[in-house]
Amino acid sequence: AQTVTQSQPEMSVQEAETVTLSCTYDTSESDYYLFWYKQPPSRQMILVIRQEAYKQQNATENRFSVNFQKAAKSFSLKISDSQLGDAAMYFCAYRSRGTYKYIFGTGTRLKVLA
Amino acid sequence: NAGVTQTPKFQVLKTGQSMTLQCAQDMNHEYMSWYRQDPGMGLRLIHYSVGAGITDQGEVPNGYNVSRSTTEDFPLRLLSAAPSQTSVYFCASYGQDNYGYTFGSGTRLTVV
Repeated sequence: AQTVTQSQPEMSVQEAETVTLSCTYDTSESDYYLFWYKQPPSRQMILVIRQEAYKQQNATENRFSVNFQKAAKSFSLKISDSQLGDAAMYFCAYRSRGTYKYIFGTGTRLKVLA
Repeated sequence: NAGVTQTPKFQVLKTGQSMTLQCAQDMNHEYMSWYRQDPGMGLRLIHYSVGAGITDQGEVPNGYNVSRSTTEDFPLRLLSAAPSQTSVYFCASYGQDNYGYTFGSGTRLTVV
């Protein structure tokens, strides 16, 4: 069975600095998707970024980028120029191609310090 | 606005009561699912549906029922509420044209 592990329950970053959130996963499959979701205090789940396993290039969305290491089964999220609005819970998620079921990590709470 | 609509946003139940959490989407998505979110445990899949008339169990289905009579609606029923079902519940949908899950705004349920 696939698993997703986020080993950092909480992280802090100074405003305008860069922070990296870690995620590791375990799977025997070769074709899958990885996601980072943001959950602000409003509780809404917001998709931040997606990576397809067959693509070697790391995904980037504005200030958000990932470091996808397929062999190491690692999928970290880098947030550059952190803003107060980035404060939230961040969830890493996995989905096998051909299924719709997601497996979520336990989340990392990010605090942004002014 | 297109998306996933969940009602209610908050609910308090007494132990043993039953209720239905409503979920509707207007994006013609085939796949819908219910998750519960608990502190330190992330989101866990309760039930899911791959289309009208088709449902299946997820990771934590006990105490919950679902049905999918239309593509749009996917209600979650709590049969006899227990304090262990105190949680935040999310409905989500996914279609072939979608980049990833679209989530509803969640329901915070407290069972006393």
